[in-house]
Amino acid sequence: DQQVKQNSPSLSVQEGRISILNCDYTNSMFDYFLWYKKYPAEGPTFLISISSIKDKNEDGRFTVFLNKSAKHLSLHIVPSQPGDSAVYFCAASARGNKLVFGAGTILRVKS
Amino acid sequence: GAGVSQSPSNKVTEKGKDVELRCDPISGHTALYWYRQRLGQGLEFLIYFQGNSAPDKSGLPSDRFSAERTGESVSTLTIQRTQQEDSAVYLCASSHHVLAGASYNEQFFGPGTRLTVL
Repeated sequence: DQQVKQNSPSLSVQEGRISILNCDYTNSMFDYFLWYKKYPAEGPTFLISISSIKDKNEDGRFTVFLNKSAKHLSLHIVPSQPGDSAVYFCAASARGNKLVFGAGTILRVKS
Repeated sequence: GAGVSQSPSNKVTEKGKDVELRCDPISGHTALYWYRQRLGQGLEFLIYFQGNSAPDKSGLPSDRFSAERTGESVSTLTIQRTQQEDSAVYLCASSHHVLAGASYNEQFFGPGTRLTVL
């Protein structure tokens, strides 16, 4: 039972353009959503998060949008840079502690 | 460094052997988590510690898996009688105290231990 789904295994974007990574969830008890970025041979690092009471959170080039009615969130990266190339994981939490992760999307930013 | 560390970074073992994986969390973080990532899949929750107690062990896949934490610091994940399907990257994360009903405390991850069971 995949509660968090990232349906695109990979995404390729030209440097300077927008990257849009998508995530869907099924559990209506999730109240906090996060994006993590992972480079090879390293652990995931926190990127940006959003509470379920908001629909948008912005941090520099990164913006996360939450559509609760559709149980969908997305991460926008503008402008995309080659250093953004990594695996991006969507994760969700219900009342703290454990995170439920999606399978990840490999982002490749071409220069 | 001040981050989460894990050892060993790589472990190759034969089917049926026991393995121990170690996690050193960030100093002062009372919450500690174990996850695993099998090839091509997302991170899968295994167990969560608050202090030295484990209020959520729901992700441990079988009774071959156990974990303990001492001194509100180091944690060890033990897999007995390893099977090939146990092959994965085992990730540890830590965070500040998680209050009941709190929305979230950011988890900081270690680099993981890559376990290969032959």
